[in-house]
Amino acid sequence: NAGVTQTPKFQVLKTGQSMTLQCAQDMNHNSMYWYRQDPGMGLRLIYYSASEGTTDKGEVPNGYNVSRLNKREFSLRLESAAPSQTSVYFCASSGQNNQPQHFGDGTRLSIL
Amino acid sequence: AQSVTQPDIHITVSEGASLELRCNYSYGATPYLFWYVQSPGQGLQLLLKYFSGDTLVQGIKGFEAEFKRSQSSFNLRKPSVHWSDAAEYFCAVAYGSSGGSYIPTFGRGTSLIVHP
Repeated sequence: NAGVTQTPKFQVLKTGQSMTLQCAQDMNHNSMYWYRQDPGMGLRLIYYSASEGTTDKGEVPNGYNVSRLNKREFSLRLESAAPSQTSVYFCASSGQNNQPQHFGDGTRLSIL
Repeated sequence: AQSVTQPDIHITVSEGASLELRCNYSYGATPYLFWYVQSPGQGLQLLLKYFSGDTLVQGIKGFEAEFKRSQSSFNLRKPSVHWSDAAEYFCAVAYGSSGGSYIPTFGRGTSLIVHP
């Protein structure tokens, strides 16, 4: 099925470890996004990429880096994980003309 | 800056009853408005959207929403709730940019509980 694929689905890290969350979409969308979801906080934007080759900070970018590898793929990296980064991470993509976002199923990340 | 308020953290209804989930946004221009639903352990699924035109929009699963500019609201409604509608519901607002992309802002969500 067409859509947004996130890997891994679950991960446990120790404080200070690094990790890259992967996201790929097969809908030929220009824009891609990374969100984190915490209880009672809704979705908060970490980074987004309006098009291949561009990335911009969102509401909560500290402690994260991103790479728009090509039009399909947009990865999120935690260089030195902290317990405050324990969350559920969602990748999304959208096409042109302000079309709605399509979401992946999320990565559940726990940092001990 | 744009913001979205979902005043109700939890809503409990009986199966078969009607439902209205509230959403208010703040900004000057006409926004793009969305409602998403999230089942446990899943990503968000689009229920419906408003870009322009008819202010009453129909979505999937029997949901509808009405854009009221005077009240800065975009409330979600369903005439008869089914047990399978129990989920988290998110309202989102976005504004177009010159580059063609947009950055939605999400509300904090309303958790819908359905009693049999």
